[in-house]
Amino acid sequence: AQKITQTQPGMFVQEKEAVTLDCTYDTSDPSYGLFWYKQPSSGEMIFLIYQGSYDQQNATEGRYSLNFQKARKSANLVISASQLGDSAMYFCAMRGYNTDKLIFGTGTRLQVFP
Amino acid sequence: GAGVSQSPSNKVTEKGKDVELRCDPISGHTALYWYRQRLGQGLEFLIYFQGNSAPDKSGLPSDRFSAERTGESVSTLTIQRTQQEDSAVYLCASSGTRVKNEQFFGPGTRLTVL
Repeated sequence: AQKITQTQPGMFVQEKEAVTLDCTYDTSDPSYGLFWYKQPSSGEMIFLIYQGSYDQQNATEGRYSLNFQKARKSANLVISASQLGDSAMYFCAMRGYNTDKLIFGTGTRLQVFP
Repeated sequence: GAGVSQSPSNKVTEKGKDVELRCDPISGHTALYWYRQRLGQGLEFLIYFQGNSAPDKSGLPSDRFSAERTGESVSTLTIQRTQQEDSAVYLCASSGTRVKNEQFFGPGTRLTVL
């Protein structure tokens, strides 16, 4: 069975600083995809970044980067130069081999303060 | 429209009543997903449709839950004999490619069962 674990229920970061949100996963699938989504208080789910299990390089999208350590089964999200608008819930998710459904973690609430 | 739309945005019903939730995916997207998000929790996969393949119903919590999709367009999630534990936000998503499987989410339907 696949599982996503996010151990940080809440995180605080000062504006302009970098922050790392942790995500570990468990799967026996030969290939898989890892995702991060942002959910502001308004409720919509916003796709941030994707990492394929066979991708050689860590994914980056603007201020977001994914620190993928396959041997440790971790896929941490790094947000650089935090902004007040980054305050939201962040969910890590995984898609397994030969399926398109996503398995989500319980999320981390990030609060950015001035 | 350009994005995934869902209706109604809010639904209040009495325990024991049936409800229907509607999702209009992005035009051309072959895959459609339903998730449930209870208050303060992550997303739970319910069901997904991919083209003309048989849907993956593995996440449906009971036989009171069912969903249909007409071709590659509208989907309806039906909950029969609603219970208070069905209260949640029901999110629909669609995706168009399997390479990344970035899922685009709708705004959700907030269901409250009294």
